[in-house]
Amino acid sequence: QSALTQPASVSGSPGQSITISCTGTSSDVGSYNLVSWYQQHPGKAPKLMIYEVSKRPSGVSNRFSGSKSGNTASLTISGLQAEDEADYYCCSYAGSSTSVFGGGTKLTVL
Amino acid sequence: EVQLVQSGAEVKKPGESLKISCKGSGYSFTSYWIGWVRQMPGKGLEWMGIIYPGDSDTRYSPSFQGQVTISADKSISTAYLQWSSLKASDTAMYYCARLAYYYDSSGLIYHFDYWGQGTLVTVSS
Repeated sequence: QSALTQPASVSGSPGQSITISCTGTSSDVGSYNLVSWYQQHPGKAPKLMIYEVSKRPSGVSNRFSGSKSGNTASLTISGLQAEDEADYYCCSYAGSSTSVFGGGTKLTVL
Repeated sequence: EVQLVQSGAEVKKPGESLKISCKGSGYSFTSYWIGWVRQMPGKGLEWMGIIYPGDSDTRYSPSFQGQVTISADKSISTAYLQWSSLKASDTAMYYCARLAYYYDSSGLIYHFDYWGQGTLVTVSS
């Protein structure tokens, strides 16, 4: 299993929207609607932000949204805030009870 | 409240053995899988493997098969990750996470919903 491909970094100004892509294969992202996204602030544990491509856990801001097309999933953050600055990781089910993470994307709020 | 509390930081020498733990509370420990995730210094998250404490069914990533052992003691709601002979390259933060992995009316559910605080393992001579 190879890691899913994410851009190393993205940036945006407060109030803007950004999108982080997550590209896999027909064996993972393309085969299952089981992509999740995690936010990780420096020195902290990851936090679930999106699951099953587009569902938000209770307590997660509706500024976070997810989508998928083919082998690529995306996380969009609208109305960027300073507190959104963090690393973001996608994760996809890959069959046989296993999953694979993306390499991570560092979001900078300018 | 669901909580996963991991054991404290460890400093070990190459060749030594180690077992770190992850204690779950606030939910039925035997009804959810527990996963282990590695994060090497300055790097991304890596899926290592999962265990179902109800029957100790275990799955490993090919990258970690044979390198670590995942186990659980359901009587004390604790999962473990262990090494028999550490290497310097095992230096990393290790997270446990509860895996929501089951079928419901909408189909297969699979995502890590709660995470432990992490255990830093440092291997150095």
